[in-house]
Amino acid sequence: NAGVTQTPKFRVLKTGQSMTLLCAQDMNHEYMYWYRQDPGMGLRLIHYSVGEGTTAKGEVPDGYNVSRLKKQNFLLGLESAAPSQTSVYFCASSRTSWETQYFGPGTRLLVL
Amino acid sequence: DAKTTQPPSMDCAEGRAANLPCNHSTISGNEYVYWYRQIHSQGPQYIIHGLKNNETNEMASLIITEDRKSSTLILPHATLRDTAVYYCIFKVSNFGNEKLTFGTGTRLTIIP
Repeated sequence: NAGVTQTPKFRVLKTGQSMTLLCAQDMNHEYMYWYRQDPGMGLRLIHYSVGEGTTAKGEVPDGYNVSRLKKQNFLLGLESAAPSQTSVYFCASSRTSWETQYFGPGTRLLVL
Repeated sequence: DAKTTQPPSMDCAEGRAANLPCNHSTISGNEYVYWYRQIHSQGPQYIIHGLKNNETNEMASLIITEDRKSSTLILPHATLRDTAVYYCIFKVSNFGNEKLTFGTGTRLTIIP
C-alpha cells in the first residue's frame, strides 16, 4: 500500500513549456486534490475531483487544467508554464469530502 | 470559511509536552477542527480532529473549549521528530465542502 504517490519529484521548465504532473493513489478514494505551496505560505487548493470523470476549480485554478480519467489517477497540467507557477505541488486524496486527506510527497517545479 | 489564529512559532524541550494553541472564535456549529503537520518539505500529515469533545489518538490529544472558540493540540512527550509546522484547520462535515483552508501554521521546534 503506497498511499499517494507523485511524479516527477522535481522538474525545471522554461517559460512557455508544458508539462503534466501525475498523482496516483491506491486507497480507492473518491476525492482527489491538487494544492500548491509557496514559501512561507500555507497550501492553496488548485483543483479537485469528487470522483472519476469529474473535476472542479479550487482557490487558484488559473493556468492549470486537470483530468480524472481513472479513479486512481489525477493529472495536473500546465499548458504554458510561467515563473509565477514555480512552487511545490501536493496531491491529496480522501474517501469522502469530510474525512482525512492523505498527502503525497510533493513535486518541486521551477519555471525559469 | 472560519479563520484560525495560531502563534507563528514555539519551542519545546524534548520529552516535555508541547501545547499548541489555536483560536477560532468564528467557528460554526458544524465545523470540525483538524490538525495537520508538515515536516520539513514533506506532504502534510493528518494528526487528529474533533467537533466538540476532547479527542485522543496515538499521536496527540485535542482539547476543545466548551464554547469551541479555541483548541489546543497536545503532543504528550515531544521528540526531535515532532519538529514541524502545525496547522489548525476547519472543515465542514457535509457533502460539497471539499476545501481545507491552510493558514501559515505554528512552526514548532523541539529543543534537545
